[in-house]
Amino acid sequence: EVQVLESGGGLVQPGGSLRLSCAASGFTLSSFSMSWVRQVPGKGLEWVSGISGSGAGTYYAESVKARFTIARDDSKNTLYLQMNSLRDEDTAVYYCVGGGIDSGYFWRHWGQGTLVTVSS
Amino acid sequence: EIVLTQSPATLSLSPGERATLYCGSSQYISSSLAWYQQKPGQAPRLLIFDASNRATGIPARFSGSGSGTDFTLTISSLEPEDFAVYYCQQRYNRPRTFGQGTKVEVK
Repeated sequence: EVQVLESGGGLVQPGGSLRLSCAASGFTLSSFSMSWVRQVPGKGLEWVSGISGSGAGTYYAESVKARFTIARDDSKNTLYLQMNSLRDEDTAVYYCVGGGIDSGYFWRHWGQGTLVTVSS
Repeated sequence: EIVLTQSPATLSLSPGERATLYCGSSQYISSSLAWYQQKPGQAPRLLIFDASNRATGIPARFSGSGSGTDFTLTISSLEPEDFAVYYCQQRYNRPRTFGQGTKVEVK
């Protein structure tokens, strides 16, 4: 069974850093299109960052470019999101999402989400 | 950036009725569109990909259509568990973008 499990969320002060992890099971990350998507509670969905199957391509929303870094450790089958210079507006539930060829690389698999709260 | 506009914002219907949700794209996106369902306290669930293909395990009452800039999600006969928020999303180019959502509520 394919599963993704996020961890690493929490409370951080503005300007601080946090690293989110996403452990995948039942599939290999390199075979899927993986991204991070966030959602402010009660609001809509926003794509944050993505990584290609090969790992060579990394992509970011303008709102997080130069502050967030997506990475993958194939030996651990784990996806990461390093978040630096955090702002109040980064407060959200962060979902690790992935999809393979059976869903046209749309995101069929979602974690349960991890809450990031940026506040002083 | 491709902007997806969903309508209506809220759809008030009764169980058994037909629901029709719309998603319009600011640019041509071929059939590179998906629909997701989200219930309170849950992660979204993929319903439809490539505009008209049902994801694994999705009931046949859900169908998608459209291409280019205009897309539709139809729920043929609403079940109690279908009352939720629905989002469209494109992967034609980056950044990937979502519509603002349509809430299907009980009338």
